[in-house]
Amino acid sequence: SQTIHQWPATLVQPVGSPLSLECTVEGTSNPNLYWYRQAAGRGLQLLFYSVGIGQISSEVPQNLSASRPQDRQFILSSKKLLLSDSGFYLCAWSKGSSQTQYFGPGTRLLVL
Amino acid sequence: DAKTTQPPSMDCAEGRAANLPCNHSTISGNEYVYWYRQIHSQGPQYIIHGLKNNETNEMASLIITEDRKSSTLILPHATLRDTAVYYCIVRPTGNQFYFGTGTSLTVIP
Repeated sequence: SQTIHQWPATLVQPVGSPLSLECTVEGTSNPNLYWYRQAAGRGLQLLFYSVGIGQISSEVPQNLSASRPQDRQFILSSKKLLLSDSGFYLCAWSKGSSQTQYFGPGTRLLVL
Repeated sequence: DAKTTQPPSMDCAEGRAANLPCNHSTISGNEYVYWYRQIHSQGPQYIIHGLKNNETNEMASLIITEDRKSSTLILPHATLRDTAVYYCIVRPTGNQFYFGTGTSLTVIP
């Protein structure tokens, strides 16, 4: 069966510090991968998605970037965090033409 | 992107069926209805989806009206662990799932 991992689970970072969040998927190959952010009490906002290694599409302009160095690895980064980057970051995967996305456990980021 | 309307909150007694409604009057003919739930501080969990026929799996049943303008998610025997926010979503536009505010279901002992 497929599983999706995210780490760290929680993170507290000062403003201006760098960020690296990692997501990995097991049990499948060539998945579509997604990064979402959920602000407190609000819905999910798609940040990035990837259909293959090195292929990244950005949905909204922002202070963040994404990379996919391996087939089942998706990384969310920032060079300098802003207060507004605080939130709950979720990674998800889907397979082929299926619209069903499966979400990871999430990383809660607090920028102080 | 078809919009959905859900009640903000519902209560259900433990062991009883939980029926969560969703209106999606602007749904298009080829759009699926998806249901996810999110337990506090966890990632959304896929529950079920359907196009026009009723669907059932080990977690829930999905009843879609004949005109497809509304649907109901049924948890047949609610447990305390089913307390969560339930999201009704109509087919993602492009690659994104639009999660609204959903229905906060509280299962009462």
